[in-house]
Amino acid sequence: DAGVIQSPRHEVTEMGQEVTLRCKPISGHDYLFWYRQTMMRGLELLIYFNNNVPIDDSGMPEDRFSAKMPNASFSTLKIQPSEPRDSAVYFCASSTQGNQETQYFGPGTRLLVL
Amino acid sequence: AQKITQTQPGMFVQEKEAVTLDCTYDTSDPSYGLFWYKQPSSGEMIFLIYQGSYDQQNATEGRYSLNFQKARKSANLVISASQLGDSAMYFCAMRRRDTTSGTYKYIFGTGTRLKVLA
Repeated sequence: DAGVIQSPRHEVTEMGQEVTLRCKPISGHDYLFWYRQTMMRGLELLIYFNNNVPIDDSGMPEDRFSAKMPNASFSTLKIQPSEPRDSAVYFCASSTQGNQETQYFGPGTRLLVL
Repeated sequence: AQKITQTQPGMFVQEKEAVTLDCTYDTSDPSYGLFWYKQPSSGEMIFLIYQGSYDQQNATEGRYSLNFQKARKSANLVISASQLGDSAMYFCAMRRRDTTSGTYKYIFGTGTRLKVLA
């Protein structure tokens, strides 16, 4: 089975541009999580979904960040407009209802905002 | 305050020996969960082990075990028979349910970098 798929793997953009990160969770998984990892702040949970519904978005840093999950096999994290401090690795992870503790992470998207 | 503390920024261990990575946590919630993740130099995050606060026995997964001492609020990861492939960053994390919103909150420690020596 394929694991969690994220695209793009690397993104370089200029300040002010819109950035869209994509995630395909493992088939059959009910939970989807978006994390951000930086040297300064470490790992942070941004938002998570259960059955495509956003459950907690308190970790989303600002209104510039938005996330959607239009169906069970796809989610996006959008930053508009992007800023240099958004540079980070963004991970998507998924898990099942019956085993929420075991989260499977994607390879991450390394974002650099110039 | 809800907090995870990993006091060892870096550790060395000889191949085939056991190593303990420290993790202490702070929460006033009666119900919570503790996790360990591994992040190799390639960057991916790998779930290793989970311990629930009400679990009577310490969690084990192959060569990984979690030394859970509730009174001390510690959840140390023990890796037995270290292998070169265990060289990585290790993160301790806590999950708790927010009493106001009812949603889960996740908090991560700053990590410990483990180097296994041949």
